[in-house]
This record gives sequence, structure tokens and C-alpha cells, in this order.
Amino acid sequence: EADIYQTPRYLVIGTGKKITLECSQTMGHDKMYWYQQDPGMELHLIHYSYGVNSTEKGDLSSESTVSRIRTEHFPLTLESARPSHTSQYLCASSEFSGGWTDTQYFGPGTRLTVL
Amino acid sequence: QKEVEQDPGPLSVPEGAIVSLNCTYSNSAFQYFMWYRQYSRKGPELLMYTYSSGNKEDGRFTAQVDKSSKYISLFIRDSQPSDSATYLCAMSGGGSQGNLIFGKGTKLSVKP
Repeated sequence: EADIYQTPRYLVIGTGKKITLECSQTMGHDKMYWYQQDPGMELHLIHYSYGVNSTEKGDLSSESTVSRIRTEHFPLTLESARPSHTSQYLCASSEFSGGWTDTQYFGPGTRLTVL
Repeated sequence: QKEVEQDPGPLSVPEGAIVSLNCTYSNSAFQYFMWYRQYSRKGPELLMYTYSSGNKEDGRFTAQVDKSSKYISLFIRDSQPSDSATYLCAMSGGGSQGNLIFGKGTKLSVKP
């Protein structure tokens, strides 16, 4: 079983609040990802990182930001939450090999509701 | 046209049935094909991983890739109620195109 953790698991907040979703992994993986998942829809990649001090935007535009100061930690921040940010956020990690695709291990997700 | 198409279902079968789950794709550069299983209120977990065309078997699960038809399948034999979950296909071109593209997922329910 993959050792990747997300907190909080559920979050209900009001519009305009700043929030940070936490993601940590203990596998020493270089590459980490944030996905957004809505019911009946595909997982959409919103951010990823190849390693410390590396962050990239994914294929889905997002108002969130990420940072990668430590290998094991990849937090996602929303400066001012809006109801349109209501979704499930999934964090994943993989051992970046560079030459082929990476097997990704997912955390349990954070279900965010913005009122 | 979406890069990966997957029928969201839901699909309901009796216990013991053979289940066939499918995805089609449009990007001929895809070489790596995966199936993830996602239980309710959990993150996806990798079930099967296949490179290029061919079959791969793991217990009751068989993954098939037909690159000429751009079609992949997951078969579940002797399905069990514990197989009830959403199954997501995912694929990538590898290397610099290594980020996975996911299907919408098919919700499967296996009735006792």
C-alpha cells in the first residue's frame, strides 16, 4: 500500500477564505501531482513537480498554486476560495524515471466544499 | 474529440459474471496503458499496467491492448461484490509525454 497522505480529508469553508491542502509521501518519490476530480468526470491534472523547487502547471487551468520545498511535501493553496473550487482534490506521487511513464500512487483525496 | 473515451456506466452484474470494461483513445503516441480501481471516497489504486499491445493477466484480471484499433479492455473473471468500484483507464506516451490521461471511469456494481 502506498504511503501518501492528504489532510484534511473533508473541508467546508466560506467564500474568500485562504486554504492549503496538504500532501505528504514517505516513499522518497521525486515526482508529485495534484488532480481535480468531479463526479462522472475525468481526473484532470492541475499541477505537478519533478522534484524540489520544480513546479509545473497541468492541462487544466487552476487558480491554485503549489510549492515543493521538501521532497516529501507538496501543498496546494487557494488564496481566495470560491464555490467553483468545490471538488475532490487528489494528490499522487511516482518515482520519476525520465525515460518511461511513471506508476502513480494516489492519496485518499480531499473533498472541498466552498459555500 | 476527447483523447480517451470511457463509458461511465453504471454497469451492474451478478456475482460470478465475466465483466468487460473498455476504453478507446485517439492519440497514436500512447504506449503505456493502465487500469486503476477507485473505491468510493478513496484514491485510485493501480490495478494493471501494460506496455504497447498484447495481453497481461493477473489473477482474475486480464488487460488487453489493441493499438491498431486504439482500444483497451479490462476483463474481470468470476466477479465478486468486492470488485464493486469505479474503474479508470489511463494512458500516456511516456518520457516527456509521461503525464497520464484518464478516462471518466466506469462504475461497476457486482450484486451477490
